[in-house]
Amino acid sequence: GENVEQHPSTLSVQEGDSAVIKCTYSDSASNYFPWYKQELGKGPQLIIDIRSNVGEKKDQRIAVTLNKTAKHFSLHITETQPEDSAVYFCAASKGGYSTLTFGKGTMLLVSP
Amino acid sequence: EPEVTQTPSHQVTQMGQEVILRCVPISNHLYFYWYRQILGQKVEFLVSFYNNEISEKSEIFDDQFSVERPDGSNFTLKIRSTKLEDSAMYFCASSEMGGETQYFGPGTRLLVL
Repeated sequence: GENVEQHPSTLSVQEGDSAVIKCTYSDSASNYFPWYKQELGKGPQLIIDIRSNVGEKKDQRIAVTLNKTAKHFSLHITETQPEDSAVYFCAASKGGYSTLTFGKGTMLLVSP
Repeated sequence: EPEVTQTPSHQVTQMGQEVILRCVPISNHLYFYWYRQILGQKVEFLVSFYNNEISEKSEIFDDQFSVERPDGSNFTLKIRSTKLEDSAMYFCASSEMGGETQYFGPGTRLLVL
């Protein structure tokens, strides 16, 4: 089955800096890669996703890149703010209503 | 904005007891999922459900687990005889027809003593 590795497990940045979280996946059939943000005591909230037919997608301060050949994808957050502090999960699936396989999560701490 | 809701938010039970976790998916969604997250670990898939039957289940989803859509709005996860290792946060998710995006509820924190 699919295996998703995510790193780093924790990331501390100063407000205004950029943050990058990286994931790799094992199943070449995976073609949908969402990123979720989980705040304390809440469920995962989708923040951005990318499909295998594109290499990059951007939404304001958040961007995701995908390298299908290398089987890795990354989340980039620019101009970080304290409210970006949360646990971020990457995931992979084969699309449609296929199950999501999650990475272990990255705890991002943005210091003012 | 429509959202997935779950009840209860917290449940404490004794080992061997049955628990039912409830979810109300987003109203026009047709695919439903249960995931769990043991404290400090990754979110793990349990089961997916479509058209009143299980579409896929993981190794975790053994005979102690069952799912049901008892009416047009609720989606439940039942654990027949809870074990200590069932202690986790359980998340319900839903997606629309043909949709890859899964929307998660806030979770139910289950503690088995």
